[in-house]
Amino acid sequence: NAGVTQTPKFRILKIGQSMTLQCAQDMNHNYMYWYRQDPGMGLKLIYYSVGAGITDKGEVPNGYNVSRSTTEDFPLRLELAAPSQTSVYFCASTRDRGQLFFGSGTQLSVL
Amino acid sequence: QKEVEQNSGPLSVPEGAIASLNCTYSDRVSQSFFWYRQYSGKSPELIMSIYSNGDKEDGRFTAQLNKASQYVSLLIRDSQPSDSATYLCAVSPSGGGADGLTFGKGTHLIIQP
Repeated sequence: NAGVTQTPKFRILKIGQSMTLQCAQDMNHNYMYWYRQDPGMGLKLIYYSVGAGITDKGEVPNGYNVSRSTTEDFPLRLELAAPSQTSVYFCASTRDRGQLFFGSGTQLSVL
Repeated sequence: QKEVEQNSGPLSVPEGAIASLNCTYSDRVSQSFFWYRQYSGKSPELIMSIYSNGDKEDGRFTAQLNKASQYVSLLIRDSQPSDSATYLCAVSPSGGGADGLTFGKGTHLIIQP
């Protein structure tokens, strides 16, 4: 039982490059989330999805895009990477809107 | 703006003592409350959830909720060095919506052997 799988674990981007952070869960959870965590800070919600085909913005969506074509997958797209997007990104899922199951995270540096 | 406030610490507690972590929240109609533990370089993991006023105990952990005071706390009894971590308080938005949890910045707990 893999739970929530995120790839890659680490990535360095140059300013202006684009990339997709992958997230997949095998628990048949409808609710999926992308958070970012800056040093010494809590988790900030970027985007979320309540089911396949449905996505919505969280607290800090600027510079990001998501899609949810299947229940299992919820990729996060960064367009035109900026230094302000240097952070640790966590994908999470839940069945009951409370107990979030987190992936292992992606540490992204934009230089 | 919904806010969750925690003392960032570090909070230093001797091994075997009780560690007390506190959290306040701004959204009065919040329904669900959670404590996550996060080790350095790792992802958060849920250790306690609480939904109604009062105390909830699970092993060495006790969560306390006071909705009138908008206050939630976590007590860790018989603290162990392995309890050293950052503890994140999280609150479900009003109405228990699907739009995720609001997290505090976390309290860094250090258990001194």
